[in-house]
Amino acid sequence: DAMVIQNPRYQVTQFGKPVTLSCSQTLNHNVMYWYQQKSSQAPKLLFHYYDKDFNNEADTPDNFQSRRPNTSFCFLDIRSPGLGDAAMYLCATSPLVGHHPQSNQPQHFGDGTRLSIL
Amino acid sequence: AQSVAQPEDQVNVAEGNPLTVKCTYSVSGNPYLFWYVQYPNRGLQFLLKYITGDNLVKGSYGFEAEFNKSQTSFHLKKPSALVSDSALYFCAVRGPGGSYIPTFGRGTSLIVHP
Repeated sequence: DAMVIQNPRYQVTQFGKPVTLSCSQTLNHNVMYWYQQKSSQAPKLLFHYYDKDFNNEADTPDNFQSRRPNTSFCFLDIRSPGLGDAAMYLCATSPLVGHHPQSNQPQHFGDGTRLSIL
Repeated sequence: AQSVAQPEDQVNVAEGNPLTVKCTYSVSGNPYLFWYVQYPNRGLQFLLKYITGDNLVKGSYGFEAEFNKSQTSFHLKKPSALVSDSALYFCAVRGPGGSYIPTFGRGTSLIVHP
């Protein structure tokens, strides 16, 4: 089955120690999103790739970076994690047709990586 | 700007009873509306969507939702709740009149009691 895979499912890191979360997809979707979700709140969009174009949300801390080496993979780098960065991180995808987003299609989410900071 | 309101943080219902989880929206033009469910330590799973056509849409696991344009609502319903329906439910809105980036409601925790 086509899907969105996030690794690892659980990640523990130390305060200030860089960490990388990964996401891969077999759906061949051109749009990929990274969300942060804290304690049963709504997911908060950090950034997204519209095809190869990177779009950062205005309130995403500089501490958060992303890389997308190809259509299938996307990485979230947290350069110096603080205690407030402990959260569930969700990756999601959605399709384009041509250069147009398919807004009438749902997003497909991975199962997330739960990040803990010691 | 587009927005979604889920007025209830939590909904409690007895197993076998009907359930409703409320959602209202605001968007320019015609909305694309979605419901997702999230179980503990899992990602969001798509349940159903309204794009156009029949105001009553049916989705996964026996859920349905009713689109009401005059009340700008898209309430999620199920005729008979199961304990296994207990989860977090999110309503979301997207373009075409608004942004292709979905806007989520704050979520409603559904608790179904045996």
